[in-house]
Amino acid sequence: TQLLEQSPQFLSIQEGENLTVYCNSSSVFSSLQWYRQEPGEGPVLLVTVVTGGEVKKLKRLTFQFGDARKDSSLHITAAQPGDTGLYLCAGAERGSYIPTFGRGTSLIVHP
Amino acid sequence: EPEVTQTPSHQVTQMGQEVILRCVPISNHLYFYWYRQILGQKVEFLVSFYNNEISEKSEIFDDQFSVERPDGSNFTLKIRSTKLEDSAMYFCASSTSGSDTQYFGPGTRLTVL
Repeated sequence: TQLLEQSPQFLSIQEGENLTVYCNSSSVFSSLQWYRQEPGEGPVLLVTVVTGGEVKKLKRLTFQFGDARKDSSLHITAAQPGDTGLYLCAGAERGSYIPTFGRGTSLIVHP
Repeated sequence: EPEVTQTPSHQVTQMGQEVILRCVPISNHLYFYWYRQILGQKVEFLVSFYNNEISEKSEIFDDQFSVERPDGSNFTLKIRSTKLEDSAMYFCASSTSGSDTQYFGPGTRLTVL
């Protein structure tokens, strides 16, 4: 079973700052998803990456998939209070479509 | 936009009782999943379901768990004899195919006393 490590575990920043969170594994993923989860709710899909080296942008969010497909990063530019939440990465290894989740990075953006 | 719905939002039960958690997947989706998230821990896969049978299950999904698609819209998770450690958020998800993105419902919070 692959292990997904997310860092940092917690992040507390001021509005307008930039930040990057990371998702790392020793396993190769066939695909990787980033989700945002708010307290008491289900994960909401942000993006899926499938190709090594792929970069996807979603407004102020930039997602990168590592060349070797073992790691990924999420960069947020000019964070806003509405970005507050738990950011989860989830990866499926080759031969499986069942994602394994990381513990997440809990982000708080202060106004 | 179509979404996965789950009922109830919160279920409180006594240890040893049976509970049924309900999900209505997105209507054109064919693959269905249950996950759980114990408070403060990772989201964990329980089971996947396709064509009226279980396609994959985790070690967590033991004999006390069962799933069913009783009609064309509902997908249920039954826990036969609940234990204290079954207390968690239970999420249903669905996808159009086994390799496509899974869309999650809002979850049912199960509290076992």
